[in-house]
Amino acid sequence: GENVEQHPSTLSVQEGDSAVIKCTYSDSASNYFPWYKQELGKRPQLIIDIRSNVGEKKDQRIAVTLNKTAKHFSLHITETQPEDSAVYFCAVTNDYKLSFGAGTTVTVRA
Amino acid sequence: GAVVSQHPSWVICKSGTSVKIECRSLDFQATTMFWYRQFPKQSLMLMATSNEGSKATYEQGVEKDKFLINHASLTLSTLTVTSAHPEDSSFYICSARMKRAGELFFGEGSRLTVL
Repeated sequence: GENVEQHPSTLSVQEGDSAVIKCTYSDSASNYFPWYKQELGKRPQLIIDIRSNVGEKKDQRIAVTLNKTAKHFSLHITETQPEDSAVYFCAVTNDYKLSFGAGTTVTVRA
Repeated sequence: GAVVSQHPSWVICKSGTSVKIECRSLDFQATTMFWYRQFPKQSLMLMATSNEGSKATYEQGVEKDKFLINHASLTLSTLTVTSAHPEDSSFYICSARMKRAGELFFGEGSRLTVL
């Protein structure tokens, strides 16, 4: 099956700084790469996604970049705010089931 | 976005009893529903995939006789944890999508505690 590795496992940033989370995957047929934010005890919320025919996508303070050749993609959060504190999961799919990374706990220090 | 509702949101049961969790797509027909289990501070682990009208496909290591999945209609899938034990205590989350390669919509999750 798909092997998804996510780094770092924890990330602490000062409010206003940027946060970057990276994921690598193994299946070259993967074509959809969503990122989810999960707060404690709640469902994952889709925050941004990218498809294999696109290299970069941005939505306000959040951006995702994809390098298909190297099989890695990254989440970038700029101007971090305390409400960005949560667990972030990357995921990968090849049109069937979604495989998740291990998650990154992001803490934004005020 | 589309809405997926999961019920109950939390349940406490005695060891040896069975618990049923429902997952409903409220405003769309879900061709495929997925069931995940999430232990504290861990990622979502796929348990099984269910397609309406057919048997569920279970991931390696998941006991199909213990975790019964029924997908009787395009808007409802159920997960029954049979003869639950304390090690089955976890956060169970369902998800659904409208079409192949479509966005995945998650239910609120169900926290199961087995005493």
